[in-house]
Amino acid sequence: NAGVTQTPKFRILKIGQSMTLQCTQDMNHNYMYWYRQDPGMGLKLIYYSVGAGITDKGEVPNGYNVSRSTTEDFPLRLELAAPSQTSVYFCASSYDPRGSPLHFGNGTRLTVT
Amino acid sequence: GENVEQHPSTLSVQEGDSAVIKCTYSDSASNYFPWYKQELGKGPQLIIDIRSNVGEKKDQRIAVTLNKTAKHFSLHITETQPEDSAVYFCAASGDGGATNKLIFGTGTLLAVQP
Repeated sequence: NAGVTQTPKFRILKIGQSMTLQCTQDMNHNYMYWYRQDPGMGLKLIYYSVGAGITDKGEVPNGYNVSRSTTEDFPLRLELAAPSQTSVYFCASSYDPRGSPLHFGNGTRLTVT
Repeated sequence: GENVEQHPSTLSVQEGDSAVIKCTYSDSASNYFPWYKQELGKGPQLIIDIRSNVGEKKDQRIAVTLNKTAKHFSLHITETQPEDSAVYFCAASGDGGATNKLIFGTGTLLAVQP
């Protein structure tokens, strides 16, 4: 199993551009999450999904959108990139909501200039 | 909502010494407390977790303790080795585990000096 795969690994965007961060998992997990990691700030939950067709906001959803059309894929969309969205983005999945491990991808480092 | 505080932000120990990282949480409904290790350039990886009905859990050189009354939990690493050097995050389930949303602490950079 590849686990959780994120693409791209790195990306530089200009202010106002749009992009989609891709995330796919091959573990048949229903639960998927997007976190952003800023220096000294830990990980903040952006959006999460409890299954195909169901998404909900996390702690810091402004400026982002998600969709979940399949169990495997959970893309994160930035519509109008801003410097405040410069961060490392991690996608994660879990099998069960009742306290099971989150499996993280290796992240996408995004810089908005 | 849940808030998790983590201390210290950096910790330097000599190889073979013990390391302790402490976290406090605010929501008494939280019932799941995992610890993640993040190596450079990689995503966090679970190293140990504890549930609210257990006070202590050990796995070889790693242990976690939970004090529900005081709302704090700690990670203990004994006989530290250079490969333990990484960033460690504590977390708490933000909604009692209904959706496994985790609220993370701000991380501790552990450096083990050979």
